[in-house]
Amino acid sequence: GENVEQHPSTLSVQEGDSAVIKCTYSDSASNYFPWYKQELGKRPQLIIDIRSNVGEKKDQRIAVTLNKTAKHFSLHITETQPEDSAVYFCAASTYSSASKIIFGSGTRLSIRP
Amino acid sequence: DVKVTQSSRYLVKRTGEKVFLECVQDMDHENMFWYRQDPGLGLRLIYFSYDVKMKEKGDIPEGYSVSREKKERFSLILESASTNQTSMYLCASSLVPKNEKLFFGSGTQLSVL
Repeated sequence: GENVEQHPSTLSVQEGDSAVIKCTYSDSASNYFPWYKQELGKRPQLIIDIRSNVGEKKDQRIAVTLNKTAKHFSLHITETQPEDSAVYFCAASTYSSASKIIFGSGTRLSIRP
Repeated sequence: DVKVTQSSRYLVKRTGEKVFLECVQDMDHENMFWYRQDPGLGLRLIYFSYDVKMKEKGDIPEGYSVSREKKERFSLILESASTNQTSMYLCASSLVPKNEKLFFGSGTQLSVL
C-alpha cells in the first residue's frame, strides 16, 4: 500500500522568510497530492492540491511542486506570516471512485516574530 | 457550506466497553473516512466507505469496525475498547468523482481508562 513520509517534523522560521516542507510517496500509481493545514484546536482544511499531470501549482504565497520520477512533492510558503503557524499534512491518493487518501506524519510550522 | 458533524467532542470510556463514534454529513457525499490522529504519527486511516453498505480497510483497522447503513452516516465501532485506542478520531467526507477535497469533522477525543 501507499506510504507517505514527511519532513521535517518541526520547522521554525522568521516571519517574512520562506518555509519548505517535503514529502515522498511509495506508490507510483498515486496521482493526487493534497496539502492540509490544521490550526491549533481546529479541523484540517485543504489549502492546495496538485494532480500528477502538473509539475507546479501556485496560489498566492503557497506553491506546491511535484516530481513524479523521484516520487516527491513539496510545499513552499513565501513571506511567512504569524497566521501560517499550524501543522501541515501532505497526502497522496490514487484518484478513483474508491480513493484512499494516505497522510504524512505532519510538520509543525512555527513563525518567529 | 459542507457540514460534517461528529456526535461527541470528548468521550471517556472504560477498558472493554463497546464504543460507538457517529459521523453525519449533510452534502450527499459518497466517500466517508475515519482517521485517528496521534502526535508524531499524523492522520492514520482506519476505514473508509465509498457507498452505502460498502467499506474498505485502511492502514490500521485492527480493533475497529464500521457501519454505513445510510449515505449520510458513518459509524466507527470499537468492539472492546483498549487503552491504546485513546486518541483523537476524525471523520471526513468527500464528493467523488468531482472533487477529492476532504471535509473533516471537529473530531472526538476519546480517552479509554
